[in-house]
Amino acid sequence: GIQVEQSPPDLILQEGANSTLRCNFSDSVNNLQWFHQNPWGQLINLFYIPSGTKQNGRLSATTVATERYSLLYISSSQTTDSGVYFCAVCNRRTGGGNKLTFGTGTQLKVEL
Amino acid sequence: KAGVTQTPRYLIKTRGQQVTLSCSPISGHRSVSWYQQTPGQGLQFLFEYFSETQRNKGNFPGRFSGRQFSNSRSEMNVSTLELGDSALYLCASSPGQVSTDTQYFGPGTRLTVL
Repeated sequence: GIQVEQSPPDLILQEGANSTLRCNFSDSVNNLQWFHQNPWGQLINLFYIPSGTKQNGRLSATTVATERYSLLYISSSQTTDSGVYFCAVCNRRTGGGNKLTFGTGTQLKVEL
Repeated sequence: KAGVTQTPRYLIKTRGQQVTLSCSPISGHRSVSWYQQTPGQGLQFLFEYFSETQRNKGNFPGRFSGRQFSNSRSEMNVSTLELGDSALYLCASSPGQVSTDTQYFGPGTRLTVL
């Protein structure tokens, strides 16, 4: 099946710093989503971005589908940005439907 | 619109028991997927239901089963619980049957097996 790798696995930032999280995937995808998992475990949708670039406030994301990677940018980080960031993908070879394959996540900690 | 809801939020069971978890999707969504999250294995797909039919299944033993009702609500059942079934179980809903749909997750049910 499709493989999803995220880097870095852990990241510690000072408040106000910028960061880039990366997601590499091993096959073509028709669905790619970025999520933030809050301390209570809920996955919060950040972006649906199988290709192209999107921005939402301090967050933006870019997916280069032909090169099989996606980047999540966090600018002017805040302590509330702490948590785990997941990339998840879906492709036709996963058997159809909505099966998402998740990466192992990036654990982000933003300190004062 | 209300988001995805899951009940119960927390559950403690003992080995050998069975458990049923419930998920109500966003109104109008017809696809419900279930995922298991553990520290060792990460987030893994269990199964997906669309219009009361299982459309896709992950690599889990037959002790894990599910169903979907005509109102799109879904339940998953785990029989003969094992310690390794302790996990956060997440449910996701999406509008239809195409893999390009955005999936929205519920708050999860945290299951502890003693």
